[in-house]
Amino acid sequence: SQKIEQNSEALNIQEGKTATLTCNYTNYSPAYLQWYRQDPGRGPVFLLLIRENEKEKRKERLKVTFDTTLKQSLFHITASQPADSATYLCARPQRASKIIFGSGTRLSIRP
Amino acid sequence: EPEVTQTPSHQVTQMGQEVILRCVPISNHLYFYWYRQILGQKVEFLVSFYNNEISEKSEIFDDQFSVERPDGSNFTLKIRSTKLEDSAMYFCASIRSGGLGETQYFGPGTRLLVL
Repeated sequence: SQKIEQNSEALNIQEGKTATLTCNYTNYSPAYLQWYRQDPGRGPVFLLLIRENEKEKRKERLKVTFDTTLKQSLFHITASQPADSATYLCARPQRASKIIFGSGTRLSIRP
Repeated sequence: EPEVTQTPSHQVTQMGQEVILRCVPISNHLYFYWYRQILGQKVEFLVSFYNNEISEKSEIFDDQFSVERPDGSNFTLKIRSTKLEDSAMYFCASIRSGGLGETQYFGPGTRLLVL
C-alpha cells in the first residue's frame, strides 16, 4: 500500500541549531509533497509545497528537499527558536480530493 | 487574511446522540473537506465535497456520517448516533480550485467528546 511515513515521533534540539525532519514514502511517486505545522489543539497550517521536479524549496528559515531516488523529503528549520516548537506533518495532496498526512514529528526547541 | 471558522470549539455529547459540527469555509473556495484526529494519532481524511455533492469519502465515513452545504456559506458534518470512538478533533478545510499546488486551509477544529 502507498505510505507516507515520519519515523521520528519526537526531536529535541538546542535553540539556534538546525532542525531536520524526515519524511519517507513507499510504493508510489508523489508529484507533490507538503509540510504543515500543527500546534496542540489546533488545525494544521500549511508551510511549504515541493514538486517532484524541484530539488529544494525555501521560505525564510525553512527549507524542504525532495529526493525521488531516496523517496524522501527533508524539512529543515535553521536558527531554530523555542517558538518553532510544534508538530510538523508531511503530507501528500491528491487532486481535488484529499490530503494524506504522515503521523508527524513533535519538535521541541530548548532555550 | 481569510480563514476557515468552525463552531462549536468543544462539544460534549452522550453516546447515541446526534451532533452537527459547523464550518464556514473561505468564501471563494469551491472544495470542502472534513478530517478527524483522534488524540495522539494522525490527521485522517473523512470526506470531500464539491459542487454540492460528495466527491470522495473514506471508509471511516459510514452511514452514520453525512455532510451538507445548507446555504452559500456553511458546511456541516452530522453524526447521527455518536459512538465513544467518535471522540476526536474534527477539522474542516477548504481549497479554492482543487489544484494539487494549492494551499488547503484548515479551521481551528471542534473537539468532540462522546461519553
